[in-house]
Amino acid sequence: QEQLVESGGGVVQPGGSLTLSCVASGFMLGSFAMCWVRQAPGKGLEWVATNSHDATSEDHADSVRGRFAISRDNSKNTLYLQLNSLRREDTALYYCARHYWQSGEGRMDVWGKGTTVTVSS
Amino acid sequence: EIVLTQSPGTLSLSPGERATLSCRASQSVGSSQLGWYQQKPGQAPRLLIYAAFRRATGIPDRFSGSGSGTDFTLTISRLEPEDSAMYYCQRYGRPYTFGQGTKLEIK
Repeated sequence: QEQLVESGGGVVQPGGSLTLSCVASGFMLGSFAMCWVRQAPGKGLEWVATNSHDATSEDHADSVRGRFAISRDNSKNTLYLQLNSLRREDTALYYCARHYWQSGEGRMDVWGKGTTVTVSS
Repeated sequence: EIVLTQSPGTLSLSPGERATLSCRASQSVGSSQLGWYQQKPGQAPRLLIYAAFRRATGIPDRFSGSGSGTDFTLTISRLEPEDSAMYYCQRYGRPYTFGQGTKLEIK
């Protein structure tokens, strides 16, 4: 069964840092692009970052560019999100998800349950 | 950046009825790029529809997608109580924009 499990969330002060992890099972992480999507309390979904299957390409949302960094270790089947210079508005549930692309059609087809980041003093 | 606007904000219907959810884009979106997700309280989003009309694996045929250009629709026929959820449309293309969501309540 294809599964994603996030970890690493917690409470951090404004300006602090945190590293999130997402372990994949049931499929090879190195065969797929992956992303992080977040959801602030009571709000909708916001794409955060994506990297390519081999980590040679990455992109970040304007709201986090320069502060967050997506990376991966395919040998460990693990995706990461480094969160720096955290702001209160970064408080959210962070999901990792798999990109699936075939015949010109793409989607985010496997999602983890998420890990919560709370930025508070 | 393309903005997706979903309507209505909330939809309240009875079991057995049909739900029609709208997603309007600020610019034309390729049909291959439009998806729909269902999210129940306390759960992760679940892919329902991709490429505007293709059902994801395991999704019942009560769920169907249609549309092109700037106007897309998710239709749920024969509503069941477990269909109560938030529904989000998404443009699959950087920056992978989501609509603000439609809350579907089953009376």
